[in-house]
Amino acid sequence: GQQVMQIPQYQHVQEGEDFTTYCNSSTTLSNIQWYKQRPGGHPVFLIQLVKSGEVKKQKRLTFQFGEAKKNSSLHITATQTTDVGTYFCAREGYGGSQGNLIFGKGTKLSVKP
Amino acid sequence: NAGVTQTPKFRVLKTGQSMTLLCAQDMNHEYMYWYRQDPGMGLRLIHYSVGEGTTAKGEVPDGYNVSRLKKQNFLLGLESAAPSQTSVYFCATNSFGAGGANVLTFGAGSRLTVL
Repeated sequence: GQQVMQIPQYQHVQEGEDFTTYCNSSTTLSNIQWYKQRPGGHPVFLIQLVKSGEVKKQKRLTFQFGEAKKNSSLHITATQTTDVGTYFCAREGYGGSQGNLIFGKGTKLSVKP
Repeated sequence: NAGVTQTPKFRVLKTGQSMTLLCAQDMNHEYMYWYRQDPGMGLRLIHYSVGEGTTAKGEVPDGYNVSRLKKQNFLLGLESAAPSQTSVYFCATNSFGAGGANVLTFGAGSRLTVL
């Protein structure tokens, strides 16, 4: 249905290693958003992707939207301990005109110094 | 400018008790939402409101009621709390209805435990 699947659920990396999380939908998406939640914190908006094949970068973070607009990825280069947290993708749902978002279950990233 | 403020931050209830969570925003946003977050389940939408005096059901509305009597406040009520409602509750807003981007701004969360 309208769910988005995220993999992996957990990822443990050594500081300096790269990290990638994937978000997949069975239906075409109008856009995809990414949020980050630090441990004990609240989700914070990172980015929105709208165009087919779009790639956006924020420092060490690279976000991609698939050509078919059914999948997206977030890649972090050379992870740091400040990257620790859970990363969620989110799609529009429950009546797209009302701003509701459906979140994936998230990928929890831990970084070993 | 506080953004989105949730009260209380923590609460412990006994089964069957009632309580209300308050979400207050000072951003003049039309749209407000209540999500719950459980381990391994991500964020699930409980109820939402697209303006003062309006409310609608989300994905998991059972056992909850909401009210939006004032634009800046969105209340989430539990009439008879159950252990299954133990969760972290997040309120969120966006300016989507007023032509803004569909980007959610979240409160800090309210951790509720039902014994």
